[in-house]
Amino acid sequence: DIQMTQSPSTLSASVGDRVTITCRASQNINKYLAWYQQKPGKAPKVLISKASFLESGVPSRFSGSGSGTEFTLTISSLQPDDVATYYCQQYNYHFGGGTKVEIK
Amino acid sequence: EVQLVESGGGLVQPGGSLRLSCAGSGLTLSPYWMGWVRQAPGKGLEWVANINTDGSEKYYVDSAKGRFTISRDNAKNSLYLQMNSLRGEDTAVYYCTADWIRGQGTLVTVSS
Repeated sequence: DIQMTQSPSTLSASVGDRVTITCRASQNINKYLAWYQQKPGKAPKVLISKASFLESGVPSRFSGSGSGTEFTLTISSLQPDDVATYYCQQYNYHFGGGTKVEIK
Repeated sequence: EVQLVESGGGLVQPGGSLRLSCAGSGLTLSPYWMGWVRQAPGKGLEWVANINTDGSEKYYVDSAKGRFTISRDNAKNSLYLQMNSLRGEDTAVYYCTADWIRGQGTLVTVSS
């Protein structure tokens, strides 16, 4: 049973800061990983698929990297609209615990 | 537009049953592993079950084993989740997934 561990669980940063969220898989999942953004009361929105592919319409300040067991989601310049909870997920399987991103 | 459309949610009493459906629109589902995930009020996202492309492999979160059954009908381009012996803690928005693609969800409320 592959488990996903996401860190940090909360993150407070200033507008314009570079922000990195890490997701670790307990076994090799190649690049079968997606990143989602969820705002309160809304359905999750996919940002990144296949570990590093930026979905259509997602701002270029978001990027994903990694393969195997370690993955990162980076926001190059944090914006107020980025306040949300972010989740990683192995395709069709377990999620990370989520990272709540706030503005300092 | 490529999308997954869930249906079948609603209010059900504890111990009752419900069958969720998920249809592909503009998307052929047969090449994809698929799954169901859920989100209880105020909680994080939780994987519930998944199924391989031909339906021969199925996996469940421990809390769903013995109560939920995932299935698919590739001829109908659809995915299903049969939920029996429902409990209050099953109250959640349920989303179907095809790899990174997901629907908008259907709400299941278990309450007397």
